Amino acid sequence: EIVLTQSPTTTAASPGEKVTITCLASSSVSNMYWYQQKSGASPKLLIYSTSSLASGVPDRFSGSGSGTSYSLTINTMEAEDAATYYCQQWSSNPLTFGSGTKLEIK
Amino acid sequence: EVQLVESGGGLVQPGRSLKLSCVASGFTFSNYGMNWIRQAPGKGLEWVAYISSGSSYIYYAETVKGRFTISRDNAKNTLYLQMTSLRSEDTALYYCASGDYGYNLDYWGQGVMVTVSS
Repeated sequence: EIVLTQSPTTTAASPGEKVTITCLASSSVSNMYWYQQKSGASPKLLIYSTSSLASGVPDRFSGSGSGTSYSLTINTMEAEDAATYYCQQWSSNPLTFGSGTKLEIK
Repeated sequence: EVQLVESGGGLVQPGRSLKLSCVASGFTFSNYGMNWIRQAPGKGLEWVAYISSGSSYIYYAETVKGRFTISRDNAKNTLYLQMTSLRSEDTALYYCASGDYGYNLDYWGQGVMVTVSS
């Protein structure tokens, strides 16, 4: 099983600040996917195939990485971005998620 | 608009069974693989099971293998999860989500709560 380790576990950012969340895989994966889950809501796909924005996702979000190291970046933090973010891989079974990064607004 | 609506959750005693359903609309259900994912209270996401569009390929998480059965009825646009021998650690919000093997999970339902307790 591929273990995904996210960091930080929790972080806070001021409006306009840049935020980077990292996801390290225990083995090389071909792609990483990212989800946003707001409090009380279902997860929503943000990034697919490492760096492609899902439909309707603001372009302040971006994804990058390769091999075992991937990241999600929010260029300019907005209040509505406060949420928990999860990375996900399915290069090999089982599908696994990172443990999540809780992002709060300062 | 894509909609996935789960139902069938509730409070069940340890060792008993429960069957979840997920009705899909707004897309061609029979063309897509489907998944169940769960989230224990205050915890992260855990993938549970996958079924391919034509039910030929089925995969389970080790934690539920042998106890849970995923199935689908493409004529009814419905995905199922039959859960048996339920344990307290199966207590979670269960989501259905569309997504083919090896890729991302495109659309998620609102979730249905399953509580296993005596």
